[in-house]
Amino acid sequence: ERVMTQSPATLSVSPGERATLSCRASQSVSSNLAWYQQKPGQAPRLLIYDASTRATGIPARFSGSGSETEFTLTISSLQSEDFAVYYCQQYSNWPFTFGPGTKVDIK
Amino acid sequence: EVQLLESGGGLVQPGGSLRLSCAASGFTFSSYAMSWVRQAPGKGLEWVSAISHSGISTFYTDSVKGRFTISRDNSKSTVYLQMNSLRADDTAVYYCAKHNSPVPNWFDPWGQGTLVTVSS
Repeated sequence: ERVMTQSPATLSVSPGERATLSCRASQSVSSNLAWYQQKPGQAPRLLIYDASTRATGIPARFSGSGSETEFTLTISSLQSEDFAVYYCQQYSNWPFTFGPGTKVDIK
Repeated sequence: EVQLLESGGGLVQPGGSLRLSCAASGFTFSSYAMSWVRQAPGKGLEWVSAISHSGISTFYTDSVKGRFTISRDNSKSTVYLQMNSLRADDTAVYYCAKHNSPVPNWFDPWGQGTLVTVSS
């Protein structure tokens, strides 16, 4: 099983600042990695797939990078609606696995 | 617009059974793989089960193998999750999610979820 880890667990950021979230896989997942955003009481929403491709309707301030075992989600200038929990997920191997999440909150 | 509407959640005693349904609309259901993902209260996301577009291939996380069965009826655009021998640690919101291809990959979009509570 590919174990996904995310850091930091919590990231405190001021609106307008840049946020950098990390995701690491225990073994290579190639570029088979997605990022999701989840707000309280809501279902997750796809942000990024194939490590770096933005999903339809996702603002350009969200970008993904990385491959193999190291991945990054960058939010270039945080807006109020971006404060949420972010999960990475690999779909390279069964079982599909998620990271534990990074909570982005207001500094 | 793609819509996924889950139903069938509720309170069940340990050892009991439930069947979840996910009614899909807004896309050609028979062309896409589907999954169930769950989230225990206050916890992270856990993929549970997936099914290919035709229903021929199914996949399960280890903790539900032998207890849960995923199926689909392409004529009704509906995917199901039959859950037997339920345990307290199965308590979670269960989300239905669509994949982007006939075989599973990323999840997009997700339904609103249905809560399953296993308790005596």
